[in-house]
Amino acid sequence: GAGVSQSPRYKVAKRGQDVALRCDPISGHVSLFWYQQALGQGPEFLTYFQNEAQLDKSGLPSDRFFAERPEGSVSTLKIQRTQQEDSAVYLCASSPRIYGNEQYFGPGTRLTVT
Amino acid sequence: QKEVEQNSGPLSVPEGAIASLNCTYSDRGSQSFFWYRQYSGKSPELIMSIYSNGDKEDGRFTAQLNKASQYVSLLIRDSQPSDSATYLCAVNDYGGSQGNLIFGKGTKLSVKP
Repeated sequence: GAGVSQSPRYKVAKRGQDVALRCDPISGHVSLFWYQQALGQGPEFLTYFQNEAQLDKSGLPSDRFFAERPEGSVSTLKIQRTQQEDSAVYLCASSPRIYGNEQYFGPGTRLTVT
Repeated sequence: QKEVEQNSGPLSVPEGAIASLNCTYSDRGSQSFFWYRQYSGKSPELIMSIYSNGDKEDGRFTAQLNKASQYVSLLIRDSQPSDSATYLCAVNDYGGSQGNLIFGKGTKLSVKP
């Protein structure tokens, strides 16, 4: 079946611009996670949704980062007033279980802030 | 700060050899452990999960877990050049969210023909 999809795959933004990154999880998956991966590092947790409820946003690096999943399916990660340090790959993962054991990742969005 | 530690490598093995990848974790309460493979420029792909002490085999891959030593390993038998990738160890943080993963930095594996 279809895996997790993300769009756009690549995004170049000028510093100060707002960006929106989209994630389409595997159909029926309850849990959705956003991670940020810097070059040469492992992914780092940003936020977690169980259906439409955002249960944990402790990993969001600043109040410029905002995520939503209004209907419990598609999720959007928004970054306001982008900074150079926001440049990274943003990964979305979904899991069929509430406790998100086995997570399946999308291809990621590579964000470059110039 | 909960941590997952891996040797960054690169680990180089000849084709056909056994590759051994190791990982330690700091949170003794961790319960679920995963190995992801990540090719350059691609996203992580789940290859193994392990939840109880001992060995778990799947094809050429064997995951080993020792909770007392807080140690997880991945063995790849009959290594192939196509196995060349970065291998990420991940631990499920039940103590935090409803299960976000904590990743190591990854070990880069190179299998030489």
